[in-house]
Amino acid sequence: DAMVIQNPRYQVTQFGKPVTLSCSQTLNHNVMYWYQQKSSQAPKLLFHYYDKDFNNEADTPDNFQSRRPNTSFCFLDIRSPGLGDAAMYLCATSTERSGREQYFGPGTRLTVT
Amino acid sequence: GQSLEQPSEVTAVEGAIVQINCTYQTSGFYGLSWYQQHDGGAPTFLSYNALDGLEETGRFSSFLSRSDSYGYLLLQELQMKDSASYFCAVCDSNYQLIWGAGTKLIIKP
Repeated sequence: DAMVIQNPRYQVTQFGKPVTLSCSQTLNHNVMYWYQQKSSQAPKLLFHYYDKDFNNEADTPDNFQSRRPNTSFCFLDIRSPGLGDAAMYLCATSTERSGREQYFGPGTRLTVT
Repeated sequence: GQSLEQPSEVTAVEGAIVQINCTYQTSGFYGLSWYQQHDGGAPTFLSYNALDGLEETGRFSSFLSRSDSYGYLLLQELQMKDSASYFCAVCDSNYQLIWGAGTKLIIKP
C-alpha cells in the first residue's frame, strides 16, 4: 500500500544532542511537510517542500533544519534539542501546494532527557 | 494576523448530528480542509472545500461560505468511534497553511 513512513516511531535524545528524524513516502507526492505537535495542540507547520523548493515557516527556530534529497525522502534535523522540543513530529505529503489533502505518517514521538 | 476560530469542545449523543464551525481570517484563500485526529494518532483527511456549498462524504459533510469566511463540518449518525479532535485548516494565497486549534468532540452513549 502507498503510504507515508516515519522512523523511528519513538526517539529519546539528550539535551543538546543532535537528532535526525526521517520520513519516506511511496505516494510520489510533490509536497512534503514537517509538523510539530504538542499535547492538546494543533499541528504546527515547521517546513514544507514543493518539489525541491524549500519553504521555512517564519517562526520555525533555527535549531530545526530539513533536507529532501529526493522525492521520496525527507529529514528533520534538530541541532541542539531542548526540553521544549519534546513533541510528536509529523510528516505529511500532498499532491498540491495548496495542501488540500494531506496524508500523514504515524509520527515520531521525541523525548528529550 | 491570520487566524482560524473553532470551538474547543463539543459534546453530543450517540446517533445524533453535530456541527463544528470554523471561521477564518486569512490573506487570500485557496481552500478549507478538515482533519480528524484520535488520541495518540496522526491526523487523517476528511474533507476539502474550495468553492461555496456543501460536500458530502458518507456520514460527514462540509460546508463553505467564502463571503462569510466560514465553514463547518457536519457529522451525522454519530458513533462512539467519532470521538476525536477535529481540525480545520486553510491555505492562504501564499500557500501558507493555517490550522485551527482543534475541536474535541465528546460523544456520550
